[in-house]
Amino acid sequence: DAGVIQSPRHEVTEMGQEVTLRCKPISGHNSLFWYRQTMMRGLELLIYFNNNVPIDDSGMPEDRFSAKMPNASFSTLKIQPSEPRDSAVYFCASSARQRPDQPQHFGDGTRLSIL
Amino acid sequence: AQKVTQAQTEISVVEKEDVTLDCVYETRDTTYYLFWYKQPPSGELVFLIRRNSFDEQNEISGRYSWNFQKSTSSFNFTITASQVVDSAVYFCALSESPRDDKIIFGKGTRLHILP
Repeated sequence: DAGVIQSPRHEVTEMGQEVTLRCKPISGHNSLFWYRQTMMRGLELLIYFNNNVPIDDSGMPEDRFSAKMPNASFSTLKIQPSEPRDSAVYFCASSARQRPDQPQHFGDGTRLSIL
Repeated sequence: AQKVTQAQTEISVVEKEDVTLDCVYETRDTTYYLFWYKQPPSGELVFLIRRNSFDEQNEISGRYSWNFQKSTSSFNFTITASQVVDSAVYFCALSESPRDDKIIFGKGTRLHILP
């Protein structure tokens, strides 16, 4: 079975540019999560969706960050404009809402560097 | 509020030694789930175990074992006869699902197994 697929794996861009990270959850999973990992702050939950609807975006750092889930098989996390402090590894994870005992499955992450 | 504390930021042991990673959690819910994830140097997050709040039985899986004690709100992880391949960052996590899908992660413990 295919796991959570994230793209790109690495992104290097200049400050001020728009960055779009993509995620394809595991088929059949109806919860999707975006995390950010930095040395200073560890793993932070940014936002999560149930059945394509954003449920909790309290972790989104500021208005420069936005996330969408137009359908059950695709989500994006966008940063506009990007800043050097946004440099981090961004993980997407999915799980089956109807199975709360099941863990979240993580993608391999996108390593983002803002110059 | 939910909270997961991994007091050990970094541990180094010599190969074949046993090592225990500590995890203390806080929650006001009576139903919750605890998880351990492994993040090897390659960066992906790998699920290791899930335990629900009603099951206090300890679990053993090969060289890995987990000790869940509700009385002390702890969910410790022991690696027996450690190997160099066990070197990774280990995260303990808490979910109050089904009420809330969020998983709160501890800061992680970086484990170095020295040859």
